[in-house]
Amino acid sequence: GAGVSQSPSNKVTEKGKDVELRCDPISGHTALYWYRQRLGQGLEFLIYFQGNSAPDKSGLPSDRFSAERTGESVSTLTIQRTQQEDSAVYLCASSLRLPAFNQPQHFGDGTRLSIL
Amino acid sequence: KNQVEQSPQSLIILEGKNCTLQCNYTVSPFSNLRWYKQDTGRGPVSLTIMTFSENTKSNGRYTATLDADTKQSSLHITASQLSDSASYICVVTVGGATNKLIFGTGTLLAVQP
Repeated sequence: GAGVSQSPSNKVTEKGKDVELRCDPISGHTALYWYRQRLGQGLEFLIYFQGNSAPDKSGLPSDRFSAERTGESVSTLTIQRTQQEDSAVYLCASSLRLPAFNQPQHFGDGTRLSIL
Repeated sequence: KNQVEQSPQSLIILEGKNCTLQCNYTVSPFSNLRWYKQDTGRGPVSLTIMTFSENTKSNGRYTATLDADTKQSSLHITASQLSDSASYICVVTVGGATNKLIFGTGTLLAVQP
């Protein structure tokens, strides 16, 4: 497919476990974003990548959250020692260039994470 | 503080009717304003992107307006269809080097037959 792909689509895990979420952006898109969307709420910015670099990590909620991107392609968002408040949909988006260049962001359908 | 506020929070209209959704922002510096449509259980889909100098932009039955002086935008939906039922999100890009996007909490639109 030509769109942004996220896996898994659903993840249920026990409190305290680590989880890894994957995002495959559209080929050639240099910018990649991670967002969190809690039930009934708006999107919350977590981190973005320009190439493989993350210039702004200020949105990460705590040091339990980390993300990396390799080969200017796949990105993984890792949450360590998960807590119940981490339950949310985690959305990934990619764009050809950064938002200031008026490029549309293309979103995946998200990973629905549930912490028991 | 950079904020994007949308109204109404939710809206119910009959199929075939028009509606207008509102967005007010206090983002500075301003780069561009976007409207997204988010179907339940799906990621948002871009409808329009407007820069400072653009007053209106259309995408099919969707028409967005921007008044940069009053920092207001609207999304007008013409001849609504059942498939328009979704959350509509207003997003403002902060200008400068941050490339940060500020999201509104959305307007939930239900189109009924």
